[in-house]
Amino acid sequence: GAVVSQHPSWVICKSGTSVKIECRSLDFQATTMFWYRQFPKQSLMLMATSNEGSKATYEQGVEKDKFLINHASLTLSTLTVTSAHPEDSSFYICSARGVPHFIQETQYFGPGTRLLVL
Amino acid sequence: GESVGLHLPTLSVQEGDNSIINCAYSNSASDYFIWYKQESGKGPQFIIDIRSNMDKRQGQRVTVLLNKTVKHLSLQIAATQPGDSAVYFCAESGEYGNKLVFGAGTILRVKS
Repeated sequence: GAVVSQHPSWVICKSGTSVKIECRSLDFQATTMFWYRQFPKQSLMLMATSNEGSKATYEQGVEKDKFLINHASLTLSTLTVTSAHPEDSSFYICSARGVPHFIQETQYFGPGTRLLVL
Repeated sequence: GESVGLHLPTLSVQEGDNSIINCAYSNSASDYFIWYKQESGKGPQFIIDIRSNMDKRQGQRVTVLLNKTVKHLSLQIAATQPGDSAVYFCAESGEYGNKLVFGAGTILRVKS
């Protein structure tokens, strides 16, 4: 149980285009989903927290107009990188917390999406 | 805040030996801790967790120890196998509400 998927697993795009990444909880309902960014040989950096049906809460320094997050259902959250630039190239990982039989704080992670902006 | 580690510490162990990975956490108000394993190019995988009202918790081949006095967490892996090679992250939760705060990570290399 507690399986989280992401799509696509990798994407290459031209500078200036927008890219949408999907995060799905496959076997549980995710009341909260998180989006992280990870650079090589570094730890995970939390970008934003999204609760189903409400606006995402962004961490300090993360541009909400650049990284659009939608959590439309209890099993799906999307991250859209708008007008992507080479510096947005990174590994993006989502995680999800379920209800109610999972420990509240435990986050289960997706496999990640590698974004390369040319 | 988040943890940044440009030079992750590396632990090299011989296959079959026991591994101990350490983590120092920062917030004494944290009351829940998790260890994750991350293989190259993949997302973190849940290994084991522990609450602050416990000192030790055991799983399959893994044990987590919590020392609240010195704010220290450790992950012990018994009979380490090549498949255990990965980056291991500790994470803490509590005062931050929904959030997990991740440590810098430790690279575990298992030599056959």
